[in-house]
Amino acid sequence: LAKTTQPISMDSYEGQEVNITCSHNNIATNDYITWYQQFPSQGPRFIIQGYKTKVTNEVASLFIPADRKSSTLSLPRVSLSDTAVYYCLVGRTGANNLFFGTGTRLTVIP
Amino acid sequence: EAGVAQSPRYKIIEKRQSVAFWCNPISGHATLYWYQQILGQGPKLLIQFQNNGVVDDSQLPKDRFSAERLKGVDSTLKIQPAKLEDSAVYLCASSLDRGSSPLHFGNGTRLTVT
Repeated sequence: LAKTTQPISMDSYEGQEVNITCSHNNIATNDYITWYQQFPSQGPRFIIQGYKTKVTNEVASLFIPADRKSSTLSLPRVSLSDTAVYYCLVGRTGANNLFFGTGTRLTVIP
Repeated sequence: EAGVAQSPRYKIIEKRQSVAFWCNPISGHATLYWYQQILGQGPKLLIQFQNNGVVDDSQLPKDRFSAERLKGVDSTLKIQPAKLEDSAVYLCASSLDRGSSPLHFGNGTRLTVT
């Protein structure tokens, strides 16, 4: 099983860059790394996905080192609306090794 | 594109009663999932369909939970009889296929069992 470990919570001030790291020592060769964001009373929302190196979209960047045993979600210049729970998933969609952990609760402070 | 639709949004029932949740996935998405999310925890997969066939129901409490996906589109999840510990948010998700396609979630049904 590709178990993941991420911090339970993080606080950040508005306008700062936030980096959330996820450890996944047992990642398999064909596993993807996918991050989701969840606001209260909503379902998780896809943020970004990567396999290796760096991926960037309009919302975030994902950094994956060569050994792929960890990954870092980077949120540039966070705002209050980025307060949410962020989940790191490792695996392939539809596979029985794809689990949501407890996620990282990010609180953005004014 | 329209997102994943779920209803009802909220449901309150007494223990031992039955309840059903409905999900309409994104058009064209072959794979549909039902998750249970207990307060403070991440979503837990209950069952996964590929078109109208069950791919994985290993985490579904089959003595009380059932699900179906007729014609490979809409799906219903039923609980009968409900227990207090079934109080949770039930999330439906769909994906274009299995592999690298991301999950698209609905906003869920919040079930309270009293």
